[in-house]
Amino acid sequence: GAGVSQSPSNKVTEKGKDVELRCDPISGHTALYWYRQSLGQGLEFLIYFQGNSAPDKSGLPSDRFSAERTGGSVSTLTIQRTQQEDSAVYLCASSPQGQAPTYGYTFGSGTRLTVV
Amino acid sequence: QQQVKQSPQSLIVQKGGISIINCAYENTAFDYFPWYQQFPGKGPALLIAIRPDVSEKKEGRFTISFNKSAKQFSLHIMDSQPGDSATYFCAAISGGYNKLIFGAGTRLAVHP
Repeated sequence: GAGVSQSPSNKVTEKGKDVELRCDPISGHTALYWYRQSLGQGLEFLIYFQGNSAPDKSGLPSDRFSAERTGGSVSTLTIQRTQQEDSAVYLCASSPQGQAPTYGYTFGSGTRLTVV
Repeated sequence: QQQVKQSPQSLIVQKGGISIINCAYENTAFDYFPWYQQFPGKGPALLIAIRPDVSEKKEGRFTISFNKSAKQFSLHIMDSQPGDSATYFCAAISGGYNKLIFGAGTRLAVHP
């Protein structure tokens, strides 16, 4: 696609429910990143994929968070047993290759998750 | 060591003025320093970037100044316009990390 697509754009869920957030990166981009942006805060790194592998998942805040990527393309971030502190905007970004920061990241518009 | 510290948290500038946002880092392995611009409801978008082998880079009204010895870099927006009102993030990365480390962001408001 022309850009990074994320769905849904907004998600309201009840505390304790599981949610899945989807990211469709730019075609051909091998590197994919998930970040979390809490209200008024910076971008917190969650996980990095190179192809279908996740060499760096150091930012996942707890074992309730998991992510996968299939076919070197679409990625899904899953949050189990959601808590109110999980409320944030979840941003996905892709880049042509993980080792080439000069290309920069292209971010999607994010999924705004609200846990009530 | 992987932190990037950004200031100020918010900034108000009159139209036509100069906006200045500062960032500092500790990790000398960082070798690429981009700035991102984010409008409400949108993801951050790459604005301008610099490598530590140059001290300044200019693109239109946007300039990055880089001080390698002080481990500091800054974004200058000349002739600031209301359309520049957004949140700006500095970031840093090195080839060994594969992930951008972001500053906390600066919310810029340019008043007409």
